[in-house]
Amino acid sequence: TQLLEQSPQFLSIQEGENLTVYCNSSSVFSSLQWYRQEPGEGPVLLVTVVTGGEVKKLKRLTFQFGDARKDSSLHITAAQPGDTGLYLCAGVQPGANSKLTFGKGITLSVRP
Amino acid sequence: DSGVTQTPKHLITATGQRVTLRCSPRSGDLSVYWYQQSLDQGLQFLIQYYNGEERAKGNILERFSAQQFPDLHSELNLSSLELGDSALYFCASSVGDGIVEKLFFGSGTQLSVL
Repeated sequence: TQLLEQSPQFLSIQEGENLTVYCNSSSVFSSLQWYRQEPGEGPVLLVTVVTGGEVKKLKRLTFQFGDARKDSSLHITAAQPGDTGLYLCAGVQPGANSKLTFGKGITLSVRP
Repeated sequence: DSGVTQTPKHLITATGQRVTLRCSPRSGDLSVYWYQQSLDQGLQFLIQYYNGEERAKGNILERFSAQQFPDLHSELNLSSLELGDSALYFCASSVGDGIVEKLFFGSGTQLSVL
């Protein structure tokens, strides 16, 4: 069983559409991060959230950490082909120091 | 460019063999992490070193070992290789080893065991 469940697994949308993807767990996390990974490259950190209910915006991307610090969502407004990639959420559990646990990721394809 | 350098980029070897993957962290980063990425398991944490000492261990097999040298570069040794060890191996680095660290990933080493 995966500690962090991401959904949907795959998403293919048209340029200009909005979308929301999710990262869920039954466990509490001290912090949660979102990464984007492109083919042939390593993941690149997009955002870190640490406070329950926290909302962070990065241009057209909005990240929210759940009140109970067990889940997170990523909303993309007016998606562009450059948003295509694998979106990974990763969390650190209380007492686990810097051990980051990753979800399996969401493969997003934005068609021009 | 993340500043983390991994070599080699691709490695093809046979079952039973031993290989060494190398990682140079970003300048100034003291922590090095190793991850294995496969289609079915996703990104799995293997091990972390901080300033030369092992700091955290994940799902690392006994056939695998790692170390961090005084110049802070790290090596991941994989021995008695099996077909199932074929995967992308990533190294990441961060400044410290706290609860909230910004990880910088290298481009990975694609290992194919034939």
